[in-house]
Amino acid sequence: DTEVTQTPKHLVMGMTNKKSLKCEQHMGHRAMYWYKQKAKKPPELMFVYSYEKLSINESVPSRFSPECPNSSLLNLHLHALQPEDSALYLCASSQGFPGFATNEKLFFGSGTQLSVL
Amino acid sequence: EDKVVQSPLSLVVHEGDTVTLNCSYEVTNFRSLLWYKQEKKAPTFLFMLTSSGIEKKSGRLSSILDKKELFSILNITATQTGDSAIYLCAAANAGGTSYGKLTFGQGTILTVHP
Repeated sequence: DTEVTQTPKHLVMGMTNKKSLKCEQHMGHRAMYWYKQKAKKPPELMFVYSYEKLSINESVPSRFSPECPNSSLLNLHLHALQPEDSALYLCASSQGFPGFATNEKLFFGSGTQLSVL
Repeated sequence: EDKVVQSPLSLVVHEGDTVTLNCSYEVTNFRSLLWYKQEKKAPTFLFMLTSSGIEKKSGRLSSILDKKELFSILNITATQTGDSAIYLCAAANAGGTSYGKLTFGQGTILTVHP
């Protein structure tokens, strides 16, 4: 199984809503990532979890709250978002074993297309 | 600040043509260069290059890395309409960490007409 599964595929929410994005992988990967991608732009890193601990937060506003309940699951909790937060949110995973170059080979999910009204 | 620049930004060709996509990078502690294809949503992995001058091939696609001149190219021969996609280049910073620190280029939008 070389899949990263994201749900939901599409999400429309108002600025006062609270919602969550979910990501799951069963490849035994120990590093998981959230990326944000605006139309016709490259993915931008938001968060990295390594061994279920938050390793990188790229100065993301607190209205985005990541959570890694276990090594297979990654959530992104959304609250009080702004219309400019509308984007494709991609989850990725990589092997995550210290010192291995394969840590850089990321497997991406199909993303959640988020629209904030 | 790490930087990856791709060219051209967009390319329109006809089926059967050969295309070359370019990627230059400036990354501290560079370790590897990766190519991804993004058709609709999920970027899918194509190649990972760590050594200079060694070509990697997969069917009609091939890629090579030049660590002296800090660039990589992705070649696609005998293009097909199914090759239409955004091709992303990413450079990895080796930090001795247990995760990948990738800097992505802007992408090249390839359109192949029948």
